[in-house]
Amino acid sequence: DTGVSQNPRHKITKRGQNVTFRCDPISEHNRLYWYRQTLGQGPEFLTYFQNEAQLEKSRLLSDRFSAERPKGSFSTLEIQRTEQGDSAMYLCASKTAYHYEQYFGPGTRLTVT
Amino acid sequence: ILNVEQSPQSLHVQEGDSTNFTCSFPSSNFYALHWYRWETAKSPEALFVMTLNGDEKKKGRISATLNTKEGYSYLYIKGSQPEDSATYLCAFEGDKLIFGTGTRLQVFP
Repeated sequence: DTGVSQNPRHKITKRGQNVTFRCDPISEHNRLYWYRQTLGQGPEFLTYFQNEAQLEKSRLLSDRFSAERPKGSFSTLEIQRTEQGDSAMYLCASKTAYHYEQYFGPGTRLTVT
Repeated sequence: ILNVEQSPQSLHVQEGDSTNFTCSFPSSNFYALHWYRWETAKSPEALFVMTLNGDEKKKGRISATLNTKEGYSYLYIKGSQPEDSATYLCAFEGDKLIFGTGTRLQVFP
């Protein structure tokens, strides 16, 4: 499968724990995006990378959230000291700089208890 | 604050019915309008990207139109099938993608 993959697909954690999600984009895509989707809403932009550089971060991304893309390939999104409000679907997407379409992974569903 | 609105929120139709959804978006700073189809437990799938006023795109039984001057796009499904059941999302692209809340379509056999 040469699409965007995300791991894990589901994560249940207790409030206060740290969690990390991984996204593997399509290999030739230099742009990578993270979104969060809560119940009844559309996906909301969190941050994006061009190669290894993080070029934009939403104000939704509090200081408990950090994202990295160290070698310009896969990316990780870490949430520290999780809160119940962090429960959501976290989606990753990738694209080239020259095409419009973003290709999405299946998402990681986070439940904070 | 840029707002993208979709209607209806949900739709239940019988197999064979044709249906359409609306996406309204800001008419300024427009770059592109995206339509995605999202089935439960799968990745959102890109259906169309439209960039020019008056664009019309078609893929099988699904088609879309774009009016950037008035800020709306329509998605049409002709002869709905149960496998069309999904959430249809539109996204306005200015400097980033801003998604609507989606239209959840259920097609009954």
